[in-house]
Amino acid sequence: AQKVTQAQTEISVVEKEDVTLDCVYETRDTTYYLFWYKQPPSGELVFLIRRNSFDEQNEISGRYSWNFQKSTSSFNFTITASQVVDSAVYFCALSEIFTTRDNYGQNFVFGPGTRLSVLP
Amino acid sequence: DAGVIQSPRHEVTEMGQEVTLRCKPISGHDYLFWYRQTMMRGLELLIYFNNNVPIDDSGMPEDRFSAKMPNASFSTLKIQPSEPRDSAVYFCASRTFPDGSNTEAFFGQGTRLTVV
Repeated sequence: AQKVTQAQTEISVVEKEDVTLDCVYETRDTTYYLFWYKQPPSGELVFLIRRNSFDEQNEISGRYSWNFQKSTSSFNFTITASQVVDSAVYFCALSEIFTTRDNYGQNFVFGPGTRLSVLP
Repeated sequence: DAGVIQSPRHEVTEMGQEVTLRCKPISGHDYLFWYRQTMMRGLELLIYFNNNVPIDDSGMPEDRFSAKMPNASFSTLKIQPSEPRDSAVYFCASRTFPDGSNTEAFFGQGTRLTVV
């Protein structure tokens, strides 16, 4: 089962519109971390935000805002007044802590991504 | 710090050849991840290491793929023999947990592999 779901494969908006990118995750851990990354056409992966499972406060950074709701296992990302430079693929990611008899680790799993196109 | 360094940036090879991708993580980071990105499958986690020890390699597609981390500053991902369907961008990432808190994964620029 996919741990991180981003149901929107592609979204197109016109510049200055607001757009929300959805992310739904699945985990049995009580302690976990969520992230958003941006991948512009140049290909690099750019970190945007991280959130731990104990912090449900929403966050705003300029035109970006994030809404974390544990009750619905969602961590949605909103861009206000979108700009052409926001055109990119956006990934949501989940990091879980696990302990087995032989191992301890923290994975880092990405959703399939949402391709956002902002048209002038 | 120079960030995560991957080499080569581009690799073109013929089917059947051995390919080795290299990664130098950020100094002091104790986790290293290898990902493969394709249009069809997105960003797949192949394997990750903690303190040079492989923790989870369940994402490695086949026995043709192998990864090593001989020391804290170097890792390789090898494909032998390579096949056209291995063509993808391969990313390496590293992270750490200062004071028990969590950080993001820092990514290299990726290696674009083309197998013809």
